[in-house]
Amino acid sequence: AQSVTQPDIHITVSEGASLELRCNYSYGATPYLFWYVQSPGQGLQLLLKYFSGDTLVQGIKGFEAEFKRSQSSFNLRKPSVHWSDAAEYFCAVLAGYSTLTFGKGTMLLVSP
Amino acid sequence: GAGVSQSPSNKVTEKGKDVELRCDPISGHTALYWYRQRLGQGLEFLIYFQGNSAPDKSGLPSDRFSAERTGESVSTLTIQRTQQEDSAVYLCASSLFGSNEQFFGPGTRLTVL
Repeated sequence: AQSVTQPDIHITVSEGASLELRCNYSYGATPYLFWYVQSPGQGLQLLLKYFSGDTLVQGIKGFEAEFKRSQSSFNLRKPSVHWSDAAEYFCAVLAGYSTLTFGKGTMLLVSP
Repeated sequence: GAGVSQSPSNKVTEKGKDVELRCDPISGHTALYWYRQRLGQGLEFLIYFQGNSAPDKSGLPSDRFSAERTGESVSTLTIQRTQQEDSAVYLCASSLFGSNEQFFGPGTRLTVL
């Protein structure tokens, strides 16, 4: 069965510093991978997705993620974090034909 | 255009009561999903509707949970005889046929006392 692990429950980053959120997946076939962001009281917003092709994918709000098959990873990065990036981030893998399997999320805190 | 909407935004109920949660998908989206998000957890898949096909109910945690969808529009998630462990945020998402991108609503926060 497919699974997603986000090893960091909380991460604190200084504003302007770089960010990397880790995601490892387990899936038998070529995965379709997603990163979502959830701000307090909001639904999930898609940041970026990987289906095939270039392993470095660009998303909205200056985020990018790199798919590494050898490490079963899909880490999310941003070169310079803004205070408005404080939110919870979820990595997900597409299971079967349509349903998403999510990690437990990483809460990003941004310090001044 | 309008996104996915859900109502109510918050629901407080007593243990043992039944609740209904509503989801209005984006117009034209044939696929509709329900997920549950318990505190400190990721999202758990509950049920998936695609057009007029039989729904995928494989994620429903017990027979107290059921969902219906009228054609390609509104869906209702019903929880009967609610228990405290049902307390969670229930999220609905929709997508176009053949698309892997799901658009999420703001969720309904259910609290069972």
